[in-house]
Amino acid sequence: SQTIHQWPATLVQPVGSPLSLECTVEGTSNPNLYWYRQAAGRGLQLLFYSVGIGQISSEVPQNLSASRPQDRQFILSSKKLLLSDSGFYLCAWYPGTGNSEQYFGPGTRLTVT
Amino acid sequence: AQSVTQLDSQVPVFEEAPVELRCNYSSSVSVYLFWYVQYPNQGLQLLLKYLSGSTLVKGINGFEAEFNKSQTSFHLRKPSVHISDTAEYFCAFSGGYNKLIFGAGTRLAVHP
Repeated sequence: SQTIHQWPATLVQPVGSPLSLECTVEGTSNPNLYWYRQAAGRGLQLLFYSVGIGQISSEVPQNLSASRPQDRQFILSSKKLLLSDSGFYLCAWYPGTGNSEQYFGPGTRLTVT
Repeated sequence: AQSVTQLDSQVPVFEEAPVELRCNYSSSVSVYLFWYVQYPNQGLQLLLKYLSGSTLVKGINGFEAEFNKSQTSFHLRKPSVHISDTAEYFCAFSGGYNKLIFGAGTRLAVHP
């Protein structure tokens, strides 16, 4: 069966510090991968998606970047965090064919102080 | 532009009462529609989905939703809620590359 992992689960970082959040998927190959952010009291916003290794599409201009160094690994990064980067970050995957359902990871709670 | 509108940000309801969470979407093409539930500090779990076929979709935990193409709606219902249904509920539809476009969410609070 397929599983999706995210780490860390929680993170407190000062403004101006770098960021690296990791997402990995097990039990599938060549998935579509997605990063979403959920700000306090708001819905989910798609940040990045990837249909293959090294292929990244950005949905909104921002202080963040994403990379996909391996088929089942998706990384969200920042060189210098802003207060507005605080939120709940969710990674999701989709098999690329079939029933269009996305499967979500447990999320990372990021607080920028 | 494609969008999802969840008409209620919060819905308070007493235990064992029925509930309806409203969702309207805007899209010029055929869509796949989803309802997800999020418990505090957790990821999203799929409740149900509409891809095609019968417009009445049944999901987990006794929830169901009805797709209405003419009204561009996909409202979620449950005939009798439990305390454990307290959570945030998100309506979404699938765009290109299976990107999900989410509504702002509805917080369901079930009171004893």
